[in-house]
Amino acid sequence: QSALTQPASVSGSPGQSITISCTGSSGDVGSFKYVSWYQQEPGKAPKLMIYGVSNRPSGVSNRFSGSKSGNTASLTISGLQAGDEADYYCSSYTTSTTLFGGGTKLTVL
Amino acid sequence: QVQLVQSGAEVKKPGASVKVSCKASGNTFSDYYMHWVRQAPGQGPEWMGWINPKTGDTKYAQKFQGWVTMTRDTSISTAYLELTRLTSDDTAVYYCARDLCWTGGDFYYYGMDVWGQGTTVAVSS
Repeated sequence: QSALTQPASVSGSPGQSITISCTGSSGDVGSFKYVSWYQQEPGKAPKLMIYGVSNRPSGVSNRFSGSKSGNTASLTISGLQAGDEADYYCSSYTTSTTLFGGGTKLTVL
Repeated sequence: QVQLVQSGAEVKKPGASVKVSCKASGNTFSDYYMHWVRQAPGQGPEWMGWINPKTGDTKYAQKFQGWVTMTRDTSISTAYLELTRLTSDDTAVYYCARDLCWTGGDFYYYGMDVWGQGTTVAVSS
């Protein structure tokens, strides 16, 4: 199965909101509620930001939210901060494997 | 707070094998599924498979079947990843990561909430 499709980059100014899309298929994103999002800073391990499409782990800011429509999941970051600058990856369950997206580099202008 | 501590960096020659360890703190090692994920330089994460620490059951991504083995030792709360027949394409950072999914039921990918610090494996002649 192919990796999930994300835009290579997105950018926004402090205080703005941005949305990162993650497009899969009916065999992954479209069929299951098991979509998660990770933030990765250079040289560090990924950090779970959203699980189960729209749930935030304890300690993750409520500025981060997730949703899904059809075969596309989305991560929205509101009130953008300089510290949000990082790479973001979506990930989805399938019956045979676990898929990751190619990643989106978020730049805070 | 659970922590996962991995073994140190490795440098291997093509054709060699490597075994990476991942030790969990606390007493919940057997309660949650454990993934192994690798990340080649400049690339996104790649899922390799998971192990159920309670039963030892494993599931591997198709490309890793036959040359990757995941095991565990519950007495020391440690998971292991062994790769054989290494090539330069296996140069990557290897992570263990705990899933939110409880081992008391079937596996569903809820998300990886605790990650090890990563182990760099470099394969070069």
